[in-house]
Amino acid sequence: DVKVTQSSRYLVKRTGEKVFLECVQDMDHENMFWYRQDPGLGLRLIYFSYDVKMKEKGDIPEGYSVSREKKERFSLILESASTNQTSMYLCASSGQGKLFFGSGTQLSVL
Amino acid sequence: GEDVEQSLFLSVREGDSSVINCTYTDSSSTYLYWYKQEPGAGLQLLTYIFSNMDMKQDQRLTVLLNKKDKHLSLRIADTQTGDSAIYFCAETQPTGNQFYFGTGTSLTVIP
Repeated sequence: DVKVTQSSRYLVKRTGEKVFLECVQDMDHENMFWYRQDPGLGLRLIYFSYDVKMKEKGDIPEGYSVSREKKERFSLILESASTNQTSMYLCASSGQGKLFFGSGTQLSVL
Repeated sequence: GEDVEQSLFLSVREGDSSVINCTYTDSSSTYLYWYKQEPGAGLQLLTYIFSNMDMKQDQRLTVLLNKKDKHLSLRIADTQTGDSAIYFCAETQPTGNQFYFGTGTSLTVIP
């Protein structure tokens, strides 16, 4: 089975902090994704990457950046966390037409 | 992005069948998916159907695809309390690097 692992289940940070969310997949997938999920808004794509060192903006990239130095790892970076970035963050990877999710990181910015 | 629409809520009695519906706009979709999300968890891929199929059955789950009407449904037979969750419909394009999700249907199973 595909495994997508997010490093933290819950995270609490303060406004202005730099935040790293890490994601690792074990299936040698080319494509990896970061979504955020908010009540009433569904899933919104922040960034995706289709290869090492390649990235594409999704629907809501403002306030975020990403890093893909190795194929299995895709990191989401909040340069200066703000309270409106409190959300559930979901990492995913895709292969053979299917998208697999990690268990999510619930981030609270105080 | 593409539009994928679902109703927000569905309640059924334990033991009944549940039918969750989804409509989408893009006729070039290649795969269509159903995901299940339990509280506080990520999305779990339940089942998927390729766009040239009409139906797929997997134990208690039946997926029906009407490509002409761009309508996808998920039927859960003998619904159990453990089926209470949010169900997301999704589709992808031939490139396979963009996935479009509905806003999710919250299924409540009443004992």
